Amino acid sequence: DVKVTQSSRYLVKRTGEKVFLECVQDMDHENMFWYRQDPGLGLRLIYFSYDVKMKEKGDIPEGYSVSREKKERFSLILESASTNQTSMYLCASSLSLLVTLHFGNGTRLTVT
Amino acid sequence: KQEVTQIPAALSVPEGENLVLNCSFTDSAIYNLQWFRQDPGKGLTSLLLIQSSQREQTSGRLNASLDKSSGRSTLYIAASQPGDSATYLCAVGGTASKLTFGTGTRLQVTL
Repeated sequence: DVKVTQSSRYLVKRTGEKVFLECVQDMDHENMFWYRQDPGLGLRLIYFSYDVKMKEKGDIPEGYSVSREKKERFSLILESASTNQTSMYLCASSLSLLVTLHFGNGTRLTVT
Repeated sequence: KQEVTQIPAALSVPEGENLVLNCSFTDSAIYNLQWFRQDPGKGLTSLLLIQSSQREQTSGRLNASLDKSSGRSTLYIAASQPGDSATYLCAVGGTASKLTFGTGTRLQVTL
């Protein structure tokens, strides 16, 4: 069974801090994704990666960057956290771009 | 731009009832449609994936149908149980990078 692990369930950070959200998958999947989920807005894609060191912007990349140095690990970076980045962040992976996604349990980030 | 709508936003049914959740989308040029389940405070779990060439998929008490021409999908849950209580989301799109999610239907199955 695919396991996608996000390192933190809850995080509280201050405005202006640099924040790292980590995600690891154990199934050798090529593709990894970062979404944020907000009430009434659904899931929105921030970034995705289809190979090591490869990345593409999603629908809302502003204020975020990503890193994929190893196939199993995909990191989301908030360079300077702001209160409007308070949200639930979900990482996902997939074997190919035409099959289902496997999600982690999410990280609820609060920026004060 | 693809838009995905799920109505109703919330639904409460007594245990044992059969129920249907609806998903509609505006652009019929899709590769597949997926249904997910999300428990409170958790990630999403994949339930069913229907390729664009298929009309339906079944898994246990769940059956999902797809009508591309009308831009609709339904998720049918038979003999509902309290453990089915969760939020159900549909997602449509081409490649996974282009998935568009609905905002979900929150289902409560009461004893």
